[in-house]
Amino acid sequence: DIVVTQSPLSLPVSPGEPASISCRSSQSLIHRNGYTYLDWYLQKPGQSPQLLIYMGFNRASGVPDRFSGSGSGTDFSLKISRVEAEDVGVYYCMQTLQTRTFGQGTKVEIK
Amino acid sequence: QVQLQESGPGLVKPSETLSLTCTVSGAYISEYYWGWVRRPPGKGLEWIGYIHYNGLINHNPSLTTRLTISLDTSKNQFSLKLTSVTAADTAIYYCAKFRAYSLPGYNYNYHSMDVWGQGTTVTVSS
Repeated sequence: DIVVTQSPLSLPVSPGEPASISCRSSQSLIHRNGYTYLDWYLQKPGQSPQLLIYMGFNRASGVPDRFSGSGSGTDFSLKISRVEAEDVGVYYCMQTLQTRTFGQGTKVEIK
Repeated sequence: QVQLQESGPGLVKPSETLSLTCTVSGAYISEYYWGWVRRPPGKGLEWIGYIHYNGLINHNPSLTTRLTISLDTSKNQFSLKLTSVTAADTAIYYCAKFRAYSLPGYNYNYHSMDVWGQGTTVTVSS
């Protein structure tokens, strides 16, 4: 089974400052077709999860361009260029190569 | 606009079967992949499984022996059944629709969960 590990688990950020979340997998998430099998989701307080990034670095429809995904192999990251108050919540990476597995989640809060 | 609504009992007794239904509006159940995710209290999201009209099903390996996911095209619904529940199955259960993203050069797609239900709380307790 593929294990997905996120860090940090808690991330206090000041408004306007950048933020970065790491996601590491126990094996490469690069499919034999060359594509990256990793998504990022955000669950805001009191809301259902929402898709942010698919296939490693593609922003989902309606996602602001301050969000970006990058990485390769087993190491990936989600970056927020300038955090806004509406970005608070728990961020999850999820591998989609073998069934699906979520990371533990990273709680982003405003300082 | 696609909308999903979970329904089912909020309280299930230990060892009994948890049954939930997701009613879909704004899309045909036969056109997409449909899935379930849960979030136990104080914990993160947990993958449960997905189903497609063509018969393709994927389960969380840790739940496979207790889990059934099915479709009802006549009602435009899909369902989850989890047998022999324990307190560890207490969670908010979400249903979700998958969007297909084409992969140039390949005859299959990549799927991500782009529309979610509001979630329903299920407590396992006697």
